[in-house]
Amino acid sequence: EAEVAQSPRYKITEKSQAVAFWCDPISGHATLYWYRQILGQGPELLVQFQDESVVDDSQLPKDRFSAERLKGVDSTLKIQPAELGDSAMYLCASSLDVGGMDEQYFGPGTRLTVT
Amino acid sequence: AQSVSQHNHHVILSEAASLELGCNYSYGGTVNLFWYVQYPGQHLQLLLKYFSGDPLVKGIKGFEAEFIKSKFSFNLRKPSVQWSDTAEYFCAVSPTYNTDKLIFGTGTRLQVFP
Repeated sequence: EAEVAQSPRYKITEKSQAVAFWCDPISGHATLYWYRQILGQGPELLVQFQDESVVDDSQLPKDRFSAERLKGVDSTLKIQPAELGDSAMYLCASSLDVGGMDEQYFGPGTRLTVT
Repeated sequence: AQSVSQHNHHVILSEAASLELGCNYSYGGTVNLFWYVQYPGQHLQLLLKYFSGDPLVKGIKGFEAEFIKSKFSFNLRKPSVQWSDTAEYFCAVSPTYNTDKLIFGTGTRLQVFP
C-alpha cells in the first residue's frame, strides 16, 4: 500500500539553527499539506500545495518558516532560525486532488526537539 | 473562528465496554466532519467522515458517529471496544466552502484493558 514518506523521523537541533524536513507524497497526489502538532494538541495546518503552487499558507510563520514543492512532487519545510517553541511533530499529508472530497493520507511525521 | 472541542482527554475502558467520545464544533456555516485515529506507532488515518445525507455514519472497525446539527456535535461510538482500539482519536471539521482546511480537536486518548 502506498504511503507518505517523511524524513528524518526525529531531529534534535539547537535554537537559532536551521532545520529542514522532507516529504514525499503518494504518487499521483496533487495536493500536499504540512501540519504542526504540538504535544497535547491536534494537528494544525501550516501550508497547502496544489501541485507546485501554494494554496494556503495563512498559518505559516513566514518570518522563519518556508516551504517549497518545486516540481509538484516532493516537498521541503524549513525553519530558520529554530526556536524552542518550534518543538513539535511535523506531519505531511497528501490527497489525490483539491476540494477536500478525497481522503488526506498522513505520513509518520518528523519529531523536532529544539534545545 | 472555527474550533473543535473534545472534552474527554483520556478514557480508560475494559474490553467489551461501550464507547462514546464527544466532539463539538463551533462554526456558523455548514461543515464536513471527520474522525481520525492514530494507533500506537502508526500514522494518523481516517476512521469515518460525514459530508451530507444520513447523519449516522458508519466507519471502519465497527465505529459509527452521529451528526446532530442542533447540538453542533459529532460523537463517536462503538458498542463493544477491543484492546486493539487503544489509540488516540481526533475529531476534525472543515467548512464546506474550503473543504481542504481541516481543523482538529485536541484528541482523546483511549486505553482499553483486557
